[in-house]
Amino acid sequence: AQSVAQPEDQVNVAEGNPLTVKCTYSVSGNPYLFWYVQYPNRGLQFLLKYITGDNLVKGSYGFEAEFNKSQTSFHLKKPSALVSDSALYFCAVRDRGPTNSGYALNFGKGTSLLVTP
Amino acid sequence: DAGVIQSPRHEVTEMGQEVTLRCKPISGHDYLFWYRQTMMRGLELLIYFNNNVPIDDSGMPEDRFSAKMPNASFSTLKIQPSEPRDSAVYFCASSRLPQETQYFGPGTRLLVL
Repeated sequence: AQSVAQPEDQVNVAEGNPLTVKCTYSVSGNPYLFWYVQYPNRGLQFLLKYITGDNLVKGSYGFEAEFNKSQTSFHLKKPSALVSDSALYFCAVRDRGPTNSGYALNFGKGTSLLVTP
Repeated sequence: DAGVIQSPRHEVTEMGQEVTLRCKPISGHDYLFWYRQTMMRGLELLIYFNNNVPIDDSGMPEDRFSAKMPNASFSTLKIQPSEPRDSAVYFCASSRLPQETQYFGPGTRLLVL
């Protein structure tokens, strides 16, 4: 079975400070890992993904994430937060091969990021 | 590309009525996914298609839910009869290959009274 945990329901950070949104995963094999962002009343927007290669993945809007196999984590980071980064962030995982649920993504419950001026 | 298109964006209906949600995937994407988002359960996969064929519908909650993909550019998710507990945001997503990024539509916000 594959699953994702986002241990924080909400993360608060002041504008200009670094931010981290945590994600840990569980898969039977090697994972594909994704981060999506959802703004109010909008669909999910793709931020970045880890498939293979460098453990540090850079994505849209200055975000990056580090794949850590030993800790089974894929935390989302940004060096300097903006007020406009305030949104709901989802981590997602799937196994490399088809599972009982095929090729679908398993999403975490989401973490609400609030960046204050 | 216009991205994944969903309609309607909002739907308010009364219990017992039939509801049809529509999705147009990104051209060239062979995989189409239907998800449901609620506060209680988060994002859940309902069903997905490959080349218009349903592959896994184990997430469809009940027989009241059905989905079709008559061609590569159109899919529907139907609820008949609808119930208040079906109130949620329904997302459609598509990808070119199974391991590639899924791109989401804006969602349909359904309220069943």
